[in-house]
Amino acid sequence: DAKTTQPPSMDCAEGRAANLPCNHSTISGNEYVYWYRQIHSQGPQYIIHGLKNNETNEMASLIITEDRKSSTLILPHATLRDTAVYYCIVRVVLDDKIIFGKGTRLHILP
Amino acid sequence: DVKVTQSSRYLVKRTGEKVFLECVQDMDHENMFWYRQDPGLGLRLIYFSYDVKMKEKGDIPEGYSVSREKKERFSLILESASTNQTSMYLCASSRQNSNSGNTIYFGEGSWLTVV
Repeated sequence: DAKTTQPPSMDCAEGRAANLPCNHSTISGNEYVYWYRQIHSQGPQYIIHGLKNNETNEMASLIITEDRKSSTLILPHATLRDTAVYYCIVRVVLDDKIIFGKGTRLHILP
Repeated sequence: DVKVTQSSRYLVKRTGEKVFLECVQDMDHENMFWYRQDPGLGLRLIYFSYDVKMKEKGDIPEGYSVSREKKERFSLILESASTNQTSMYLCASSRQNSNSGNTIYFGEGSWLTVV
């Protein structure tokens, strides 16, 4: 699996866009970028995934650079309920060996 | 909306009791998993199943068993609960093969305290 690097924590004002970066400089051609988040005391929640094109769903947008060495998860209008730890995972497919690293702890400030 | 439902959110059980944790998914997924999550240790796989009546041991199966009689349901059984099994238990499911990446969907977790 390609290694990912994320900042340990970030702050974002409520109502603003939260941009969470992830570096994955050793990503290989068939590896996807997956994003999950875990709100305190709850199970991990799938957010979005992509291969090389930018992706958008009802929760977030995923921007992947052209060289695929980094990506950004965008929460367009952050709310207090978006306070969580966000994990970037790079793999071909997610199987039983899914590993969550340290992730980014996102604090939404009122 | 995809859904993995764990039957109990919070449980308190006594040492030696038999404990059943139930999980149901409504996505017709072939794969189902049971993990436990402990601070500093991340997710650890207990058992998984790729099909009905099929089960495979994960990394920490000791003290646990599982049952998958129907595709949508995967049960975790603690034969004789011990205090070191106090943890958050997570059920998850995924599709077996996909050409567009895949996702694993998790339940909300079951917090088990063994006293």
